[in-house]
Amino acid sequence: DAMVIQNPRYQVTQFGKPVTLSCSQTLNHNVMYWYQQKSSQAPKLLFHYYDKDFNNEADTPDNFQSRRPNTSFCFLDIRSPGLGDAAMYLCATSRAGRLQLYEQYFGPGTRLTVT
Amino acid sequence: QKEVEQNSGPLSVPEGAIASLNCTYSDRGSQSFFWYRQYSGKSPELIMFIYSNGDKEDGRFTAQLNKASQYVSLLIRDSQPSDSATYLCAVNGYSTLTFGKGTMLLVSP
Repeated sequence: DAMVIQNPRYQVTQFGKPVTLSCSQTLNHNVMYWYQQKSSQAPKLLFHYYDKDFNNEADTPDNFQSRRPNTSFCFLDIRSPGLGDAAMYLCATSRAGRLQLYEQYFGPGTRLTVT
Repeated sequence: QKEVEQNSGPLSVPEGAIASLNCTYSDRGSQSFFWYRQYSGKSPELIMFIYSNGDKEDGRFTAQLNKASQYVSLLIRDSQPSDSATYLCAVNGYSTLTFGKGTMLLVSP
């Protein structure tokens, strides 16, 4: 059973052409995350939603935006992709309480190519 | 700045041996610890989590946590070539995880 679903799995876009990546979850987790991962590097957190609260990492470029219209869905918008934005984009979800963060589950990722 | 350190490897072990992967962390307040396995070109897969000091076993995997020394380790018994992957250690923050850079494990037949 798919728990964290990402679409599309592969995305090719042109330099400067906006692109949207989507993530959905069936786990009813209250926290959703977007990571960027480049080859041989650790996942880099871009931002996350804790319930409806948006939390942006300090070094996430303004070019990256996110929307979470409801508990199940979250979107990553890249307004003007550059060649350096080519990467694997990972969505993850977690259940978090006031005092504890539980396991985080990743989707299969979207491989973004910028031409 | 919370830090999670791992040896990048590669750690090479023969098939059937025990692979030992280590991770240290800087934040003494951390409470939750996770090990993810990531095959090349795939997303991270959660394989173990541990919250309390001591050992936690699941099949061929054992996670060990020592909060006093601020390290967490993962033991893989009877290593198989299919275990060849990068293993990421992650430590909790308030609502996020801090990942190490991962250790590449190579299991040779």
